[in-house]
Amino acid sequence: RKEVEQDPGPFNVPEGATVAFNCTYSNSASQSFFWYRQDCRKEPKLLMSVYSSGNEDGRFTAQLNRASQYISLLIRDSKLSDSATYLCVSGRRALTFGSGTRLQVQP
Amino acid sequence: SAVISQKPSRDICQRGTSLTIQCQVDSQVTMMFWYRQQPGQSLTLIATANQGSEATYESGFVIDKFPISRPNLTFSTLTVSNMSPEDSSIYLCSVQTGDGANVLTFGAGSRLTVL
Repeated sequence: RKEVEQDPGPFNVPEGATVAFNCTYSNSASQSFFWYRQDCRKEPKLLMSVYSSGNEDGRFTAQLNRASQYISLLIRDSKLSDSATYLCVSGRRALTFGSGTRLQVQP
Repeated sequence: SAVISQKPSRDICQRGTSLTIQCQVDSQVTMMFWYRQQPGQSLTLIATANQGSEATYESGFVIDKFPISRPNLTFSTLTVSNMSPEDSSIYLCSVQTGDGANVLTFGAGSRLTVL
């Protein structure tokens, strides 16, 4: 079983749609949780950290459920520029990356 | 956040040769991390490079295959030794941000193709 599991997608959605990504992690000792964004042929970049209380950054909302070891990302009002692969990340000292969920926002 | 420069950005190598990838950071950092991203896959941690001590390798990675140097707090190298086509991958250097939040910043990566 992978340490961090994500639906690979692709998710094809129209502009303006709301889309949700889910992720599960297996290491119950994990203390750090993130969503990273990776554009094609580029390095991953931090999108947002994920906190137990849930957190929001503009159109992006992240939630963490420690009991179920589950992380989610909600994107509202999708833009063409949101098209990318979204990587779920968890860990304690060393970070483990999920395989990514590919999002394609269409006009 | 830190600015990371990696080189080469890409290279095509022959089987059996070795390639050294350099990572330069614009500020002093305690730990540097080397990741690999194989085609269509996510990132896998190879090792953590600590200044003044030997690198710590993850399961499945060994020093003979991936020797790492960390001569100071702003620089590290990763060598991919005796390459085979299975080593074709993107190799990424990363550092933690300075705020203790365990957030990683990545270099642009070195895309390696082994023929």
